Amino acid sequence: NAGVMQNPRHLVRRRGQEARLRCSPMKGHSHVYWYRQLPEEGLKFMVYLQKENIIDESGMPKERFSAEFPKEGPSILRIQQVVRGDSAAYFCASSPGAGRQETQYFGPGTRLLVL
Amino acid sequence: AQSVTQLDSQVPVFEEAPVELRCNYSSSVSVYLFWYVQYPNQGLQLLLKYLSGSTLVESINGFEAEFNKSQTSFHLRKPSVHISDTAEYFCAVILQRGGSNYKLTFGKGTLLTVNP
Repeated sequence: NAGVMQNPRHLVRRRGQEARLRCSPMKGHSHVYWYRQLPEEGLKFMVYLQKENIIDESGMPKERFSAEFPKEGPSILRIQQVVRGDSAAYFCASSPGAGRQETQYFGPGTRLLVL
Repeated sequence: AQSVTQLDSQVPVFEEAPVELRCNYSSSVSVYLFWYVQYPNQGLQLLLKYLSGSTLVESINGFEAEFNKSQTSFHLRKPSVHISDTAEYFCAVILQRGGSNYKLTFGKGTLLTVNP
């Protein structure tokens, strides 16, 4: 499967716990994007990363949320001290190198439920 | 700031009927336009896109969309739908602006339900 992979597909956390969402981009893609889909809403941009660099995090909440894309391994979206309002589907997308960021391929998403 | 409006949250149709899903956008600069489809509990799949050139774009499964600059619209159409087309459809734009031509802005989606 050469597509974007995300795990886990479903994640249940209690309030105050940490959530870690992982994303492996398509083979050959070096750009990763995270989007959040709240119930009955469209997807909203959170953050754009390249290997070892955060390019744009303008859509990330200022507190509790962080993202990284290390030199080796998947991109990680980390949510500390989760609250019920964090319950959503989190989608990762990837694109090839510079000049082709507009065509993004999405993973199946991680559905986070905070109890 | 740009925005995307999908006028219909739900569109029920019968199998083999034509369908149009409407999408309008607002932006002060030129945009790239996209339609994505999301089947239940799955991720988004790119259905078709307009980057430049011909204003009519087609997908491999019979959908088409036409970019109308004067009306700032990018409506999605299919002349005859199948039950398997039942899904949520999202319209999205990216601003053609140097340095940020990657941030997709999505509409709220239209749930297309095809009934037998």
